[in-house]
Amino acid sequence: QSALTQPASVSGSPGQSITISCTGTSSDVGSYNLVSWYQQHPGKAPKLMIYEVSKRPSGVSNRFSGSKSGNTASLTISGLQAEDEADYYCCSYAGSSTYIFGGGTKLTVL
Amino acid sequence: QVQLQESGPGLVKPSETLSLTCAVSGYSISSGHYWGWIRQPPGKGLEWIGSIYHSGSTYYNPSLKSRVTISVDTSKNQFSLRLSSVTAADTAVYYCARDNVDTGRVDYWGQGTLVTVSS
Repeated sequence: QSALTQPASVSGSPGQSITISCTGTSSDVGSYNLVSWYQQHPGKAPKLMIYEVSKRPSGVSNRFSGSKSGNTASLTISGLQAEDEADYYCCSYAGSSTYIFGGGTKLTVL
Repeated sequence: QVQLQESGPGLVKPSETLSLTCAVSGYSISSGHYWGWIRQPPGKGLEWIGSIYHSGSTYYNPSLKSRVTISVDTSKNQFSLRLSSVTAADTAVYYCARDNVDTGRVDYWGQGTLVTVSS
């Protein structure tokens, strides 16, 4: 199992939209609609933002949305706000009751 | 509200065994769910270590399987991690969490505890 591939960093201005990609293989992202996304602020525990590709837990803003095409999943944040500046991690079920994370993406709000 | 709290030594010597415990409140482990451990080396990404079902069934990351043991104590509503033969590469913040090995969904996290491997 290798970590899912994410861009090291992305940036955007307040009010803009950004998309973070998460590329896996046909053994993980490509085979299951079981991708989740986590937001992590410095020194804090990660927080679940999206699960099962595009579902939002209660309390998560609808500015956050997820999608998937083939072996690549994406997280889109619209109407970017200063509080969205954080690290974001994708995660995928990888078969045989295991799951793997992406390497993480640092989002900077300019 | 489910809450998780990690506890254990913050410093472990190389070649020794790292041991951590996660106390769960607001939910009875025996009621169900999976309970897992995830770690994050300083400045790096997240790595799933392994999980245990309330019944005691265990699931491990293949890359760590030979060194990891996760157990559960439903009477104390807690679960534990043991990682043997540690090296400096095992230095990380260790999180306990309520997860699901069949979806990768982690919905509750502990605050994390830093474990440093050093002599």
